[in-house]
Amino acid sequence: DQQVKQNSPSLSVQEGRISILNCDYTNSMFDYFLWYKKYPAEGPTFLISISSIKDKNEDGRFTVFLNKSAKHLSLHIVPSQPGDSAVYFCAAQKVAGNKLTFGGGTRVLVKP
Amino acid sequence: GAGVSQSPSNKVTEKGKDVELRCDPISGHTALYWYRQSLGQGLEFLIYFQGNSAPDKSGLPSDRFSAERTGGSVSTLTIQRTQQEDSAVYLCASSPGGAKNIQYFGAGTRLSVL
Repeated sequence: DQQVKQNSPSLSVQEGRISILNCDYTNSMFDYFLWYKKYPAEGPTFLISISSIKDKNEDGRFTVFLNKSAKHLSLHIVPSQPGDSAVYFCAAQKVAGNKLTFGGGTRVLVKP
Repeated sequence: GAGVSQSPSNKVTEKGKDVELRCDPISGHTALYWYRQSLGQGLEFLIYFQGNSAPDKSGLPSDRFSAERTGGSVSTLTIQRTQQEDSAVYLCASSPGGAKNIQYFGAGTRLSVL
């Protein structure tokens, strides 16, 4: 049973436009959510996180929104840049510091 | 280096052989995690070490998989009698502990079982 799902395997966006990545989860015990970015042949790198007590967290071009009632979160990248082309993983934790449960990833291609 | 280091970066083995994968976490990080990513899939949790506590082995897929962490630092993931379905990228992560506990990943070991 997949507890974290990213239903869009890929996304193509024009440089300068907004990229919106979506993630759904089923386990209401998750209380901490993270987004990781992964380039080929590299490990995932942390991007941004949000606690379940918040509904928005912003860091530069990246904003994460959390809708607890819908068990849905999204990552907005504005403006998108060619260097943002990568695979993005949504992840969830039941207790901060514990194991991560990952979604299947969304491959983003930003076209110049 | 300052990051998580994994070795080897690539490993090709024959079905039935044993393999050992190594992880050097970031110095001072108390928690260490192993995950694997099969082709086209997300990352799957395998095992988690936190300080001197008993490890959380709940993600290990079979008893052919084991891991240890010596001296609270370096960790080795061992796969015995490898099978073709074990082919994946094995990723190690470490974290400093505390309230904001971001996990930092190594580049992974790509294991191919022929």
